[in-house]
Amino acid sequence: SQQGEEDPQALSIQEGENATMNCSYKTSINNLQWYRQNSGRGLVHLILIRSNEREKHSGRLRVTLDTSKKSSSLLITASRAADTASYFCATIGSQGNLIFGKGTKLSVKP
Amino acid sequence: DVKVTQSSRYLVKRTGEKVFLECVQDMDHENMFWYRQDPGLGLRLIYFSYDVKMKEKGDIPEGYSVSREKKERFSLILESASTNQTSMYLCASSLLFGKAGEGETQYFGPGTRLLVL
Repeated sequence: SQQGEEDPQALSIQEGENATMNCSYKTSINNLQWYRQNSGRGLVHLILIRSNEREKHSGRLRVTLDTSKKSSSLLITASRAADTASYFCATIGSQGNLIFGKGTKLSVKP
Repeated sequence: DVKVTQSSRYLVKRTGEKVFLECVQDMDHENMFWYRQDPGLGLRLIYFSYDVKMKEKGDIPEGYSVSREKKERFSLILESASTNQTSMYLCASSLLFGKAGEGETQYFGPGTRLLVL
């Protein structure tokens, strides 16, 4: 079952621009995580935001969480070609497993 | 450094073969997970384990089994491979089953891309 739904499905921007991806989920959460996956590779954890947090920063990443709207956004500032990847939000299922959305495919053109 | 390794990056098997995918983590994590990832479907949970010799079915366990004889190793077995099991398989591990809501992160291996002919 999939809980998070990312929007847009694909995003193409120029290097130096900001990229914003959104995620909506269905049930109540304790935290929400964002992951990155480079083409054909494994997932890398980017950032975790707890349900009592509204915003969190990590380097060029900024994550917001709105539990009233059951939504989160991931902002990548000053994007680089190396940021080209798929980005997934994930929440924790009842069995402790991560439930992922289908992802946003980001392409950063040099 | 946290490390999850998977035995193969690429694997080609024939229909009907028995296939073993191995995953090893060096972080002393209790929980281990197997997912498959398919275009347009995202990540789906196959099986997971929260202790040695324990296993739980995920969303799509049919056609798969698992083995967890040691804490650091979690194996996914395709008893009789079929073409619809062609996919990317991802292993992950984490601490603290049941307390995952307190914020434990899952660490992923690089994935095994399996092609069944």
